[in-house]
Amino acid sequence: DAGVIQSPRHEVTEMGQEVTLRCKPISGHNSLFWYRQTMMRGLELLIYFNNNVPIDDSGMPEDRFSAKMPNASFSTLKIQPSEPRDSAVYFCASSLAIGELNEQFFGPGTRLTVL
Amino acid sequence: QQQVKQSPQSLIVQKGGISIINCAYENTAFDYFPWYQQFPGKGPALLIAIRPDVSEKKEGRFTISFNKSAKQFSLHIMDSQPGDSATYFCAAFLAGKLIFGQGTTLQVKP
Repeated sequence: DAGVIQSPRHEVTEMGQEVTLRCKPISGHNSLFWYRQTMMRGLELLIYFNNNVPIDDSGMPEDRFSAKMPNASFSTLKIQPSEPRDSAVYFCASSLAIGELNEQFFGPGTRLTVL
Repeated sequence: QQQVKQSPQSLIVQKGGISIINCAYENTAFDYFPWYQQFPGKGPALLIAIRPDVSEKKEGRFTISFNKSAKQFSLHIMDSQPGDSATYFCAAFLAGKLIFGQGTTLQVKP
């Protein structure tokens, strides 16, 4: 089992540029989560999907952030335009289903640096 | 009310000692309390979890103690080893979402 796959692992970009982060969940998992981790704010849930449908995007910081899940095996998180305060590690996680007993498996993360 | 407060921020323990990390919450609707372990450069991974109707859960050297009336729970790592050096996050689950504490960086000295 390859686990959750994220790409790229590292991204350095300049302020104002568009950034796209990618995630492939574990095969058979129906729920997908995007998190952001910073020293100041810790680990925050941005958005989650169930069966490819966005369920809760209340954690998305502003309209510059958008996420899509066009099929069960792929999701993207896009930031346009990017700002230095978006610098963080972004994690994707997946689980079999929504529910407390369904363990969330995290990917290795994408470290984003916006200059 | 959605917050989970975690302490201490960092912890240094000698090999063989007991590591204790504490968390507190306000929202009594939280219905599941997992702990995650994160090594540098890796994503968090589930370590152990407890439901609020249980006061203690033990898995190997790791134990969660849960005090429902005080709205507090803690992670105890017995016989701490250098390989336990990592960041630990408590979390609380509600309505499909995990709310994480700020994390505790544990260093176990050989």
